[in-house]
Amino acid sequence: GAVVSQHPSRVICKSGTSVKIECRSLDFQATTMFWYRQFPKKSLMLMATSNEGSKATYEQGVEKDKFLINHASLTLSTLTVTSAHPEDSSFYICSARDSRGLTSYGYTFGSGTRLTVV
Amino acid sequence: AQSVTQLDSQVPVFEEAPVELRCNYSSSVSVYLFWYVQYPNQGLQLLLKYLSGSTLVKGINGFEAEFNKSQTSFHLRKPSVHISDTAEYFCAVSNFGNEKLTFGTGTRLTIIP
Repeated sequence: GAVVSQHPSRVICKSGTSVKIECRSLDFQATTMFWYRQFPKKSLMLMATSNEGSKATYEQGVEKDKFLINHASLTLSTLTVTSAHPEDSSFYICSARDSRGLTSYGYTFGSGTRLTVV
Repeated sequence: AQSVTQLDSQVPVFEEAPVELRCNYSSSVSVYLFWYVQYPNQGLQLLLKYLSGSTLVKGINGFEAEFNKSQTSFHLRKPSVHISDTAEYFCAVSNFGNEKLTFGTGTRLTIIP
């Protein structure tokens, strides 16, 4: 089956520093990846759609300069939280869409990254 | 625009009893529907999906869901729950030609021994 690896699973960083989160599709090519943010006991909020080889599309209200997304290959997308602040603390989850289409695996999610900014 | 409503934020159920988690959607075009399960501090795992064809969809872990177009619903059911089913369940929708998934607010299923 389709597997998405997300790393790190947990990270603690100091306020003002940057943190990079990686999302890899291990056994399929993902032309499109999605980044979500999940607040405690809340649903998933789509932050941006990442397309291989092009700029990410951000949802309304998401600061593109704070949340930098790079999708340099068909199997890797990264989310960098720049100049992190305590309010950026959250659970971040990536999802990859199998380029073969929804009829096969559809969307596969990573295991998430718990970011704590102190 | 599409939206998903999960009316029940929490559902407690006794072990081995049946359960139904409700999901209603709104969309002006044809939809694809999904149910995901999330265990604490983990990502989402696909339980089942409806893309087309038979309206009764069977998924993993003994779960099934039925697509009802007239009622715009996609309720999730399991005839007999286990302690291991304790988790958060999310219903999600996407449209043909739109890759974005829209999630409901989730239902926390708690199994009572």
